[in-house]
Amino acid sequence: QKEVEQDPGPLSVPEGAIVSLNCTYSNSAFQYFMWYRQYSRKGPELLMYTYSSGNKEDGRFTAQVDKSSKYISLFIRDSQPSDSATYLCATRETGGYQKVTFGTGTKLQVIP
Amino acid sequence: GAVVSQHPSRVICKSGTSVKIECRSLDFQATTMFWYRQFPKQSLMLMATSNEGSKATYEQGVEKDKFLINHASLTLSTLTVTSAHPEDSSFYICSAGKPNTEAFFGQGTRLTVV
Repeated sequence: QKEVEQDPGPLSVPEGAIVSLNCTYSNSAFQYFMWYRQYSRKGPELLMYTYSSGNKEDGRFTAQVDKSSKYISLFIRDSQPSDSATYLCATRETGGYQKVTFGTGTKLQVIP
Repeated sequence: GAVVSQHPSRVICKSGTSVKIECRSLDFQATTMFWYRQFPKQSLMLMATSNEGSKATYEQGVEKDKFLINHASLTLSTLTVTSAHPEDSSFYICSAGKPNTEAFFGQGTRLTVV
């Protein structure tokens, strides 16, 4: 079993739709939760970063973490064609420079 | 956010030659950096943890003699792919971050071995 599971998609939505991206994880020691956006042939770009459970909002993006169910989500409101990319969830343990564990990534396409 | 710069962004080399990739933290000191490899349509797989002033820690299955890592300063780590073969063609990405904060990634290096 992978430590972080993510549906690879692809996911196609019309412009303006609300997008829901999800991951599950198995390691209870994970405390930091990130969402990265990766365009083709580019390095991952940090979108959201949360510590422990709860919600975090930044513009059109909302990240949710439910540690009781080991479930993390990213919501994108009013999706735009420029949001088309691969979205990677990631987690790591607390303390020092712990390595980041990634999901497989979900490819999103927003159709104009 | 913190900036991590990776160079070169693309490199094509002949089979049997060596290629060096640089990863720099531009606005902070990084005693630890990470090197990942990403094959097409797959996620990032950690190859090794680069520690300033000491030997790198390699993940299981990664050949340390083939992927040489040098972290000579607090802002620079290098990955050298030695005796490259076509199966080493991949997207290599480094990351760095401050303790207990998010990790930032370089732009990635696309290596093609012909």
